[in-house]
Amino acid sequence: NAGVTQTPKFRVLKTGQSMTLLCAQDMNHEYMYWYRQDPGMGLRLIHYSVGEGTTAKGEVPDGYNVSRLKKQNFLLGLESAAPSQTSVYFCASSSLGSGGNTQYFGPGTRLTVL
Amino acid sequence: AQSVTQLDSHVSVSEGTPVLLRCNYSSSYSPSLFWYVQHPNKGLQLLLKYTSAATLVKGINGFEAEFKKSETSFHLTKPSAHMSDAAEYFCVVSKSGGGADGLTFGKGTHLIIQP
Repeated sequence: NAGVTQTPKFRVLKTGQSMTLLCAQDMNHEYMYWYRQDPGMGLRLIHYSVGEGTTAKGEVPDGYNVSRLKKQNFLLGLESAAPSQTSVYFCASSSLGSGGNTQYFGPGTRLTVL
Repeated sequence: AQSVTQLDSHVSVSEGTPVLLRCNYSSSYSPSLFWYVQHPNKGLQLLLKYTSAATLVKGINGFEAEFKKSETSFHLTKPSAHMSDAAEYFCVVSKSGGGADGLTFGKGTHLIIQP
């Protein structure tokens, strides 16, 4: 099992450009999440999904959109990138009733917006 | 609502000495608590979790944590530090029962191991 994978690993954008980050999991998990990590801030939840075709806002959703068309994939989109979105993005997944929502994380995507 | 406070942003210990990383939490629910570790430029790895079973939880790589409800604490310890333990450690709280609305992370403690 590959677990949780993220594509791409690194990306540099100019202000105003758009991009999509892909997260894939092969553990048949129902729940998937997108977080961002900034220095001294820990991880903050952007959006999450409790199943195929459903999404919900987390703590810091502004400027991002998500889609969960297939159970194994969770896409994070930036329609018009801003320098404030420079961050490391982590995807995670977990299963229903997994004893306190144990989440499994991908390796991260480092995004720089110039 | 839940929150997590990691009391030290940096902890420095000598190799072979004990490690103590402190975490206090608040939660309106009976919480589940986790410690994750992040090595430089890597993703997050689960060290251990507490989900209302035994209050002393053993994790990987010799780490353990004790849930103390009266003190609302979940401190992480290891008897003898190794150079490979140098990393960022996150204390995390979740609603018990597998709530789907994500985890609340502490801001992290950077563990430095002196040779």
